[in-house]
Amino acid sequence: DAKTTQPPSMDCAEGRAANLPCNHSTISGNEYVYWYRQIHSQGPQYIIHGLKNNETNEMASLIITEDRKSSTLILPHATLRDTAVYYCIVRVARNGGSQGNLIFGKGTKLSVKP
Amino acid sequence: KAGVTQTPRYLIKTRGQQVTLSCSPISGHRSVSWYQQTPGQGLQFLFEYFSETQRNKGNFPGRFSGRQFSNSRSEMNVSTLELGDSALYLCASSRDPGSGANVLTFGAGSRLTVL
Repeated sequence: DAKTTQPPSMDCAEGRAANLPCNHSTISGNEYVYWYRQIHSQGPQYIIHGLKNNETNEMASLIITEDRKSSTLILPHATLRDTAVYYCIVRVARNGGSQGNLIFGKGTKLSVKP
Repeated sequence: KAGVTQTPRYLIKTRGQQVTLSCSPISGHRSVSWYQQTPGQGLQFLFEYFSETQRNKGNFPGRFSGRQFSNSRSEMNVSTLELGDSALYLCASSRDPGSGANVLTFGAGSRLTVL
């Protein structure tokens, strides 16, 4: 699975959009980009994933560049409850094989401030 | 629907003892994975079970073991506890469609303190 690079920390004002970048320059064609977050002392929470196209759900939007070497997670209106560590993970979709062993890096610690 | 349930939530053990942690996956999820989280090493994969078989294993000593039952519930066991085993142990389940993207749902974790 390709390696990802994220900034260690970011600040965002409450109510503003939080844009979290992730570099995955060695991504291959069959690897998905997943985003999870972990609020202090809780289990990680799935946010969104994508392969090539931009994706949006009720939590966030995922923008993947055309060359797929980087992506941005967008929280459109950040709240104090969005303060968490955000993990960007690149993972190949295996047919019938093991898929439960995600490799978590250090992630980005997002602090949403009033 | 009910989420991933882990028990116990908190426990304290002493060095040399053993511990068993339990995980009940979301109904219909066939895959269960276990992770260890410590401040120094972050989140690290322990092992994954699917249809009662260990499908993948991380780089942990043999003191760490697990199993999965026919109802997909899983347990992990750590024998001869060491101080360094103090951690948050997380269980995650997934539907495991066999192809395409696979999303993990994590439980709240079991926090183990070894004295």
